[in-house]
Amino acid sequence: DIQMTQSPSSLSASVGDRVTITCQASQDISNYLNWYQQKPGKAPKLLIYDASNLETGVPSRFSGSGSGTDFTFTISSLQPEDIATYYCQQYDNLPLAFGPGTKVDIK
Amino acid sequence: EVQLVESGGGLVQPGGSLRLSCAASGFTFSSYEMNWVRQAPGKGLEWVSYISSSGSTIYYADSVKGRFTISRDNAKNSLYLQMNSLRAEDTAVYYCARENWNYWGQGTLVTVSS
Repeated sequence: DIQMTQSPSSLSASVGDRVTITCQASQDISNYLNWYQQKPGKAPKLLIYDASNLETGVPSRFSGSGSGTDFTFTISSLQPEDIATYYCQQYDNLPLAFGPGTKVDIK
Repeated sequence: EVQLVESGGGLVQPGGSLRLSCAASGFTFSSYEMNWVRQAPGKGLEWVSYISSSGSTIYYADSVKGRFTISRDNAKNSLYLQMNSLRAEDTAVYYCARENWNYWGQGTLVTVSS
């Protein structure tokens, strides 16, 4: 089974800061990676698919990059509404697997 | 508008059973693969099960294999998860999610406790 790791597990940043989260897969998953945003009590929301493609309607301050085993998710200018937990997910192989999440809040 | 609405959650004793439903609307349900994902209280996301658009191909996470059964009724635009032999560790919010993962339901809470 493919294991997904994320770092950091949490972070605090100021409004306007650039925020970067990394996700690592235990084996090559090509670009079969999604990034989600989840706010408390809500379902996850797809932000990035195929590692670097922005889902329709998602603000352009969100971006993703990487392939193989190492991936990066970036918020170019953190906004108050971006307070949430962010998850990566591989869909290259079953069982599908999510990363443990990164909780982002405002400093 | 695409909508996925889960129902059927609740409180059940260990060893009991529950059937979750996911009602789909706003798209051609029979053309899409579907998944169940769960989230234990305060924890991360865990994929549970997958079903192909026709229902002919099914996969499960090891944690639920042999106890849970995924199914669908394309005539009724509905997805199901039959959960048997429930354990405390199955306590979670259960979400249905459409192929491509861009649509999720609001979730239904399953609590397994005596």
